[in-house]
Amino acid sequence: QITLKESGPTLVKPTQTLTLTCTFSGFSLSTRAVGVGWIRQPPGKALEWLALIYWDDDKRYSPSLKSRLTITKYTSKNQVVLTMANMDPMDTATYFCAHSNYYGVGNQIGDFDYWGQGTLVTVSS
Amino acid sequence: SYELTQPPSVSVSPGQTARITCSGDALPKYYTYWYQQRPGQAPVLVIYKDSERPSGIPERFSGSSSGTSVTLTICGVQAEDEADYYCQSADSSGTYGVFGGGTKLTVL
Repeated sequence: QITLKESGPTLVKPTQTLTLTCTFSGFSLSTRAVGVGWIRQPPGKALEWLALIYWDDDKRYSPSLKSRLTITKYTSKNQVVLTMANMDPMDTATYFCAHSNYYGVGNQIGDFDYWGQGTLVTVSS
Repeated sequence: SYELTQPPSVSVSPGQTARITCSGDALPKYYTYWYQQRPGQAPVLVIYKDSERPSGIPERFSGSSSGTSVTLTICGVQAEDEADYYCQSADSSGTYGVFGGGTKLTVL
C-alpha cells in the first residue's frame, strides 16, 4: 500500500524559503522507474506541475519556477524535500506530493498515481 | 511556455456521455494522463498512457487521441462523476510536465 504525506510550515513570510518534506511508504526511490513529484494548487485554481525526481536522481523542474526550486531525495529515509526560495503571496497554495511512474526514454514525464493529502501554505507578512 | 487547453466547463444529464477535450501541439509525441478532482480532495488518476484505466476506475471512463487533441469520455455519467478534470502531459521537448487548465464537469 502506497501512501505519501506532506509536511512543512503552514505560514511563511514573503522572501523566505519554503521547505516541504514528502514522507512516503509502500515503495522505494531506489527502485527503477519510480519517481516522486510536487504539484501545487492555488485556492480555486488549477493544478500546477512543479518538479519531479526519479530513482536515478534525474530531476525535472517547471521552467517558470526552476530558478527558485530544488528537489532532493533521501532514499534511506523515504523522503523527498522541495525547497522554494523567495516566496511571494502568489505562491499561496495547497502543495501535493505524488508517486510517479517512468515510462521510458520517449516518455520521461510520467503520471501521478498516488497522491498525498496536500498541505496548505500561506504566504503573508 | 507550453500549454494544454481544456474547455472550462462541460455539462451533461445523468446517463448521457461527457467528452472533455485537451489540446496541445506535443500531445502526439507524449502520453497523456487524466485526473479527477472532487472538492477538497487530492486528484485521482483515471486514465494513464492515453487510454489505460487504473484498477478501480469504472469502465465508463475512457481516453482517446486524435492528432493534437485527446479526449476523456465518460459514458453513462453519474452524479458522482461531477468534479474537475485535468489532463497532464509533457512539454514539446519532453523535459517537464504540464497540466491543462481543468474542466468542471456538471451533472445536471
